Amino acid sequence: AQTVTQSQPEMSVQEAETVTLSCTYDTSENNYYLFWYKQPPSRQMILVIRQEAYKQQNATENRFSVNFQKAAKSFSLKISDSQLGDTAMYFCAFMKPYANQGGKLIFGQGTELSVKP
Amino acid sequence: DSGVTQTPKHLITATGQRVTLRCSPRSGDLSVYWYQQSLDQGLQFLIQYYNGEERAKGNILERFSAQQFPDLHSELNLSSLELGDSALYFCASSGPTSGGATRYEQYFGPGTRLTVT
Repeated sequence: AQTVTQSQPEMSVQEAETVTLSCTYDTSENNYYLFWYKQPPSRQMILVIRQEAYKQQNATENRFSVNFQKAAKSFSLKISDSQLGDTAMYFCAFMKPYANQGGKLIFGQGTELSVKP
Repeated sequence: DSGVTQTPKHLITATGQRVTLRCSPRSGDLSVYWYQQSLDQGLQFLIQYYNGEERAKGNILERFSAQQFPDLHSELNLSSLELGDSALYFCASSGPTSGGATRYEQYFGPGTRLTVT
């Protein structure tokens, strides 16, 4: 069974600085997807970024980028130029798709990020 | 706005009762997923439907059931409610693009907060 581990329950960063959130996962699969979701105080789950395991290039979405190390089964999220609106719980998630019909997300425990002014 | 709608937003009910949570996926999405978020269990996958058919089951209790209708909306039925069922219940959807390529990102609704007293 796949597992996802986020070893940092809480982190804080000063506004405009860079922060990296860690995530490791365990799987024997070769084809899978990884995601970072953000959950602000409103409790809405917001997709931040995705990475396909077969792609070597790290995904980037504006100020958000990942460091995907497939052999090490590591998937960290870097947030550059942190903004107060980045304050949220961040979840790392693993998914193995099947038959082009999607697949369940397996979530880590989350990292509570506070951006300080 | 993710395009996924859930009703009701809040639900307060007594132990032993039955409730129905409703979800409408994003336009064009064929897969609907249900997740439960609680303090002690974190984010847990419950069940997935694809185009009306059950596709995957997680740690869903026998007291819980779900279905997806021909118009692709879904309902999650929770019966014989216990205090421990109090949680935030999310619906998410995913599906192919208009070009037919499958995309696996899941977009979440705002959730239904269930309180069992």
